[in-house]
Amino acid sequence: RKEVEQDPGPFNVPEGATVAFNCTYSNSASQSFFWYRQDCRKEPKLLMSVYSSGNEDGRFTAQLNRASQYISLLIRDSKLSDSATYLCVVNMESNDYKLSFGAGTTVTVRA
Amino acid sequence: DGGITQSPKYLFRKEGQNVTLSCEQNLNHDAMYWYRQDPGQGLRLIYYSQIVNDFQKGDIAEGYSVSREKKESFPLTVTSAQKNPTAFYLCASNRGPPIQNQPQHFGDGTRLSIL
Repeated sequence: RKEVEQDPGPFNVPEGATVAFNCTYSNSASQSFFWYRQDCRKEPKLLMSVYSSGNEDGRFTAQLNRASQYISLLIRDSKLSDSATYLCVVNMESNDYKLSFGAGTTVTVRA
Repeated sequence: DGGITQSPKYLFRKEGQNVTLSCEQNLNHDAMYWYRQDPGQGLRLIYYSQIVNDFQKGDIAEGYSVSREKKESFPLTVTSAQKNPTAFYLCASNRGPPIQNQPQHFGDGTRLSIL
């Protein structure tokens, strides 16, 4: 089983729509969770950290479900500029310095 | 502005040649990392360094070498032993372990191709 698994998509949605997707992780002791955004042929950029109680940043909402070992990202009122690949990132409990990256979920927002 | 600088942006390697990718940061971060990304795949850790003069192998260290003689610099050498080096290489840094309020930051990458 992969350490971090994501639905690769693509999720094709119209502008203004809501899109949501999950990421599952295998290590029940993981403590740090992130969503990164990666545009085509560019470096990943931090979108948001994911906190235990869930957190929101503008149109983006992240949730953590420890019991089922997944995190989620919801994007409301999608913009064309939200088109990107979203990477789920989780730390390795046995080594605080190591992170595991999912392969990414591709979102395409159409006009 | 503080950040991570990778060079070159594009690099071509001949068969049997070693090449070195540069990574410099002025963020005063202790920890630095090298990742490799192949199309359609997640980032895979090559090497990381928690502090100057110390580094550890990641998941795919074979065919690569690093050094950490200065806090701000973490160069990666792709040796001739790495038989499939074509990939997007990303350098990252952290103040310490990547926890929620101290996420990892990335350079803009080096694309390496075989001639």
